[in-house]
Amino acid sequence: AQKITQTQPGMFVQEKEAVTLDCTYDTSDQSYGLFWYKQPSSGEMIFLIYQGSYDEQNATEGRYSLNFQKARKSANLVISASQLGDSAMYFCAMRDRSNDYKLSFGAGTTVTVRA
Amino acid sequence: DAGVIQSPRHEVTEMGQEVTLRCKPISGHNSLFWYRQTMMRGLELLIYFNNNVPIDDSGMPEDRFSAKMPNASFSTLKIQPSEPRDSAVYFCASSLGQIADTQYFGPGTRLTVL
Repeated sequence: AQKITQTQPGMFVQEKEAVTLDCTYDTSDQSYGLFWYKQPSSGEMIFLIYQGSYDEQNATEGRYSLNFQKARKSANLVISASQLGDSAMYFCAMRDRSNDYKLSFGAGTTVTVRA
Repeated sequence: DAGVIQSPRHEVTEMGQEVTLRCKPISGHNSLFWYRQTMMRGLELLIYFNNNVPIDDSGMPEDRFSAKMPNASFSTLKIQPSEPRDSAVYFCASSLGQIADTQYFGPGTRLTVL
């Protein structure tokens, strides 16, 4: 069964605007972790942000923030003030006990920032 | 601080040849992971080690694949014999402690098997 769903295969955003990338997850565990990674065209996987299921505050890292809605099982990534260098594929991932804490990745969303 | 180091970055080989991919995890990290990324299957975990011991190799596709971690600073993923369907990007990642910790990825090795 799909544990991580990213419904947006591709998105365009204007430079300096904000963009929200959707991620929904499926788990019956109470304790789990959610991650976002960025993969630019050069291919490396870059860790962006982490949210624990018990964290009361939404995680933020610079221009990245995670809109965590536990009841809806969603963990959307918000990139504020988009820059050309934000053009990349973005992956949502989750680790939970039912999967032996192994990371499950979504299919990814491609973001293209336009000047 | 040096991140995860992988070599080679690109490998082109012919079907039937042995391929060895190498990884140096971040110093002090105790867990190491090997992933494979393809367009069709996305990112798949092949195997992970904790304190140099293989913990879960359920993702290793078949006996042609093997992985070792002889010490805390080095791991290899070997494919013998290689097949065209093994063409993919292979990532190594490491994390500080247990599997639940944040994983940091290397730059990947792009393998092409002709």
